[in-house]
Amino acid sequence: DSGVTQTPKHLITATGQRVTLRCSPRSGDLSVYWYQQSLDQGLQFLIQYYNGEERAKGNILERFSAQQFPDLHSELNLSSLELGDSALYFCASSLGTVNTGELFFGEGSRLTVL
Amino acid sequence: QQQVKQSPQSLIVQKGGISIINCAYENTAFDYFPWYQQFPGKGPALLIAIRPDVSEKKEGRFTISFNKSAKQFSLHIMDSQPGDSATYFCAASGSGGGNKLTFGTGTQLKVEL
Repeated sequence: DSGVTQTPKHLITATGQRVTLRCSPRSGDLSVYWYQQSLDQGLQFLIQYYNGEERAKGNILERFSAQQFPDLHSELNLSSLELGDSALYFCASSLGTVNTGELFFGEGSRLTVL
Repeated sequence: QQQVKQSPQSLIVQKGGISIINCAYENTAFDYFPWYQQFPGKGPALLIAIRPDVSEKKEGRFTISFNKSAKQFSLHIMDSQPGDSATYFCAASGSGGGNKLTFGTGTQLKVEL
């Protein structure tokens, strides 16, 4: 158990809808990362937050947004969903921003867009 | 643009054999190279990592070999076991700071009895 909690584990929705994925990082971790895992693209970095502030941005679509709250949990909002957004969304956390190469991943939220 | 290239995409090895997975990177700003292991239904978990000032690192049956001049690194799993069957991702961090990881596309390893 990594200590990172993601909800929901599974989500099925229709095109054009909006969903929110939630992540609670490991106790004491200030950095939260969001990754998208699809069969053809592997693990793609979306965005990172550190102590409530956006720290780094990757290949995140404009239809997607995220935030980190004062209690350090994070939410990833996906809107105007398309079939291609179906994927596993992982949240990961680390203590800070020092480059250690170690992230602790949750078990993911599987999104299916029909 | 894929910054970390990984091969092979899938690998079948007999129990007791050696599994070898290769990765190559382009960005010389990367300065930490971890390998992650992912079992079905689980998130990736750190297996072993290396910095570019070291040419080899060994932890148990897992060894990373690193060639800085060629910008390549590889994972060797000695005495492969059925329990090693998983997807393995190489990764790199350090470009742009912040500890974010750039992953390879993954290798699905199956160890047969």
